[in-house]
Amino acid sequence: GQSLEQPSEVTAVEGAIVQINCTYQTSGFYGLSWYQQHDGGAPTFLSYNALDGLEETGRFSSFLSRSDSYGYLLLQELQMKDSASYFCALTKGDKLIFGTGTRLQVFP
Amino acid sequence: GAVVSQHPSWVICKSGTSVKIECRSLDFQATTMFWYRQFPKQSLMLMATSNEGSKATYEQGVEKDKFLINHASLTLSTLTVTSAHPEDSSFYICSAWGGKTGDTQYFGPGTRLTVL
Repeated sequence: GQSLEQPSEVTAVEGAIVQINCTYQTSGFYGLSWYQQHDGGAPTFLSYNALDGLEETGRFSSFLSRSDSYGYLLLQELQMKDSASYFCALTKGDKLIFGTGTRLQVFP
Repeated sequence: GAVVSQHPSWVICKSGTSVKIECRSLDFQATTMFWYRQFPKQSLMLMATSNEGSKATYEQGVEKDKFLINHASLTLSTLTVTSAHPEDSSFYICSAWGGKTGDTQYFGPGTRLTVL
């Protein structure tokens, strides 16, 4: 089957850097995306890796290694508003397969 | 980015009734729309893929007779939960996709369904 595993919860303080990992067991996908979701809200797109390596978008960076079946989202200069759930998702055909999700709590 | 709306944003209904949720892409034509269900503190689970003018494709374990999907135009898809029961209470989210490989999916704000 297809599974994308993430740590269930991560905590950090304002201004810190945090890395959220995503390991997967599947092949034949177009790329790896990351989404942020605040409680009761819709997922919002953060980043996409079609190729191996690092993609940087402001305070957020995402990394993919197909050979290691692994990716991560790096959040820098954490702010209180970054407290949310974060999901990795693989694009297979026209579908998104979501990871288990990581709840990030940022403390002052 | 593109805007996707859902209506209603929340609904409470009695057990046994049917509920219709609308998903609209407001500023682009969506070749494909997707319906997800999300239980509290869990991930998004794809329920079905909806292509304009054709029958929806349901994921394994999703009852097509219970979750009726209609995609009548390139900007509107509807999900009808028929004979709803308390276990159908969930957050239902749609997304719309323009159809090109590499295009991102744009998500609606979600609909909170509570079945009493």
